[in-house]
Amino acid sequence: GAGVSQSPRYKVAKRGQDVALRCDPISGHVSLFWYQQALGQGPEFLTYFQNEAQLDKSGLPSDRFFAERPEGSVSTLKIQRTQQEDSAVYLCASRPTSGASYEQYFGPGTRLTVT
Amino acid sequence: TQLLEQSPQFLSIQEGENLTVYCNSSSVFSSLQWYRQEPGEGPVLLVTVVTGGEVKKLKRLTFQFGDARKDSSLHITAAQPGDTGLYLCAGAEIGNNRKLIWGLGTSLAVNP
Repeated sequence: GAGVSQSPRYKVAKRGQDVALRCDPISGHVSLFWYQQALGQGPEFLTYFQNEAQLDKSGLPSDRFFAERPEGSVSTLKIQRTQQEDSAVYLCASRPTSGASYEQYFGPGTRLTVT
Repeated sequence: TQLLEQSPQFLSIQEGENLTVYCNSSSVFSSLQWYRQEPGEGPVLLVTVVTGGEVKKLKRLTFQFGDARKDSSLHITAAQPGDTGLYLCAGAEIGNNRKLIWGLGTSLAVNP
C-alpha cells in the first residue's frame, strides 16, 4: 500500500554537474508524470509516460533534461550540466489508468538546489 | 494554451473565519480538481468536479464547478490552523486527459 516515493528527497549539485532523480510510482499505475515546481507556485508539466512509452515531453525545458521509464515502473529524470535556474522541487505523480480517471497521486518531491 | 487563474494568490486569516478561493479560465474543462499541498510534500487531491454547476462538500470545504465548466470555487467555513497550505486547482483538457492544466495556487495561512 505504499504511495509514490522519490529519491533523493534533497539534492545539492554544483553548477555543471549531472543529476538523476528517481521516482517509484504506485505499483500497477500505468501513467507517470514529472513536474517542476517553483516555491509557492503550482506544478509545471515536464513529461508523461504511459507504461514505458514517453508520450509527451513537451514540458522539458531544454535538451539537458531527459526522462526514462524503461520497464514501465520506476522512472528517472536526468538533468545534465545543471544550471542555477534548474533549482526547484521535482514532483513525480502516477495514475492508475490512462483512461478517464484524472486523479494523480504525488510523491513528496525532490528539492534540487544548484549552487 | 489553456490557463487557470487562481485568486487570491496569498491569504492570511484568523481561525474561525470563512474564505473563498477562485479558479477561473476562459476555456472549458472536462473536469477540475482541487489539491492541497503542505510544505515538503506533494499535492493531495481533495475533490474532482465533473458536471457544470456541481457542488461537492468535504466537511467544512465546499467546492463548486461553474455552469459553463470554466471556473470553480473553494469555500472553507470556520477555517482551522490545520487548513494552512497551498491550494491548487487543476483542469483536465477536453479530449486530452493526459495532462492537467494547473493554477499557480493560493497560499493560505490560518492563524490561531
